[in-house]
Amino acid sequence: EADIYQTPRYLVIGTGKKITLECSQTMGHDKMYWYQQDPGMELHLIHYSYGVNSTEKGDLSSESTVSRIRTEHFPLTLESARPSHTSQYLCASRTGFTDTQYFGPGTRLTVL
Amino acid sequence: AQTVTQSQPEMSVQEAETVTLSCTYDTSESDYYLFWYKQPPSRQMILVIRQEAYKQQNATENRFSVNFQKAAKSFSLKISDSQLGDAAMYFCAYRSLFTGGGNKLTFGTGTQLKVEL
Repeated sequence: EADIYQTPRYLVIGTGKKITLECSQTMGHDKMYWYQQDPGMELHLIHYSYGVNSTEKGDLSSESTVSRIRTEHFPLTLESARPSHTSQYLCASRTGFTDTQYFGPGTRLTVL
Repeated sequence: AQTVTQSQPEMSVQEAETVTLSCTYDTSESDYYLFWYKQPPSRQMILVIRQEAYKQQNATENRFSVNFQKAAKSFSLKISDSQLGDAAMYFCAYRSLFTGGGNKLTFGTGTQLKVEL
């Protein structure tokens, strides 16, 4: 398995809370991604980064924000969680020299 | 925009048998990459196999092989000698070489593979 980590793995919170989903990789990859995946459904890209200080929005509109201050770290933040944010969030990374994206184990978020 | 279609929401296979998962895609590009990813229950998504569109030879990885038909825009995955550990959701994915968007992957809706004794 690839060296890409996500914490927490599971999170249940109440509406209106601010949360940060952590993603870290130890492979030195410059490109990182956040995908949202509803149960039994395909993945949709919500954010990506080409490298430090680079962040872009993906195909699926999301109220979340991301930052990339360090190469290995790409956290995702929700300022005020809502039940519509309930989903699984997958982080991925890759180097510019390969086409393979390596995925983290995911964070399953439930907002009550 | 590219689209990826997996028309089989679920498939079943007997242990040691062979199964083929279907994938079709739509693109106007001539060069791109195609992937099959495996997502076991509650576990990490991992790459199974990849194919470059400019290569005519079908990719193989041990028990996994693809049937890439570029003109038909078809990219099926064959799993030989199926094992219990092959049970998972399988996603077909497309990546353009030339468009922006961080060279993102476009995924199909997945095929849930069950392996029976």
